[in-house]
Amino acid sequence: AQSVAQPEDQVNVAEGNPLTVKCTYSVSGNPYLFWYVQYPNRGLQFLLKYITGDNLVKGSYGFEAEFNKSQTSFHLKKPSALVSDSALYFCAVRDSHTGRRALTFGSGTRLQVQP
Amino acid sequence: DVKVTQSSRYLVKRTGEKVFLECVQDMDHENMFWYRQDPGLGLRLIYFSYDVKMKEKGDIPEGYSVSREKKERFSLILESASTNQTSMYLCASAPWAANEKLFFGSGTQLSVL
Repeated sequence: AQSVAQPEDQVNVAEGNPLTVKCTYSVSGNPYLFWYVQYPNRGLQFLLKYITGDNLVKGSYGFEAEFNKSQTSFHLKKPSALVSDSALYFCAVRDSHTGRRALTFGSGTRLQVQP
Repeated sequence: DVKVTQSSRYLVKRTGEKVFLECVQDMDHENMFWYRQDPGLGLRLIYFSYDVKMKEKGDIPEGYSVSREKKERFSLILESASTNQTSMYLCASAPWAANEKLFFGSGTQLSVL
């Protein structure tokens, strides 16, 4: 079975500071990993994905994520947070081994960036 | 841009009513999905479909059914709505390949009274 955990319900960071939103996963094969963001009253927007190759993946709005196979983690990062980054962030995984076509999502982390 | 359109943004229904949630995508995607989103629980998969007339149960299919008569349309049906089905419902579509991202609609906030 595929699963993903986001251990923090909320992350608070000051504008201009670096931010990290944590995600760990569990799969039997190789993972396909995704990050999505949800702004208030909006659907989910794709930020970035890791399929294979370079462990550091760059995405939209200056976000990046680091794949760490030994720690089964895929943390989302940004060097300098903006107030406009305040939103709900979801990590998701698909197991390449099972062939299940649906993504499994984490419980979400609310990011609050203070001015 | 891919567009996934959900027919209603807000819906209020009564307990016991039959409810239809409609979703249409315009990019000829093979895969379509229904998730529900609840605070603290994230997104949970209800049903998905990888082809016309094909469907598979997700993690929480009880109380729901789906219909996919045409490739672009995927309907979620609540046979007899209950208050615990009050939730945000999100439809998504994706191409066939397993490493492709999902495209989401704006969601339908359903309240069952």
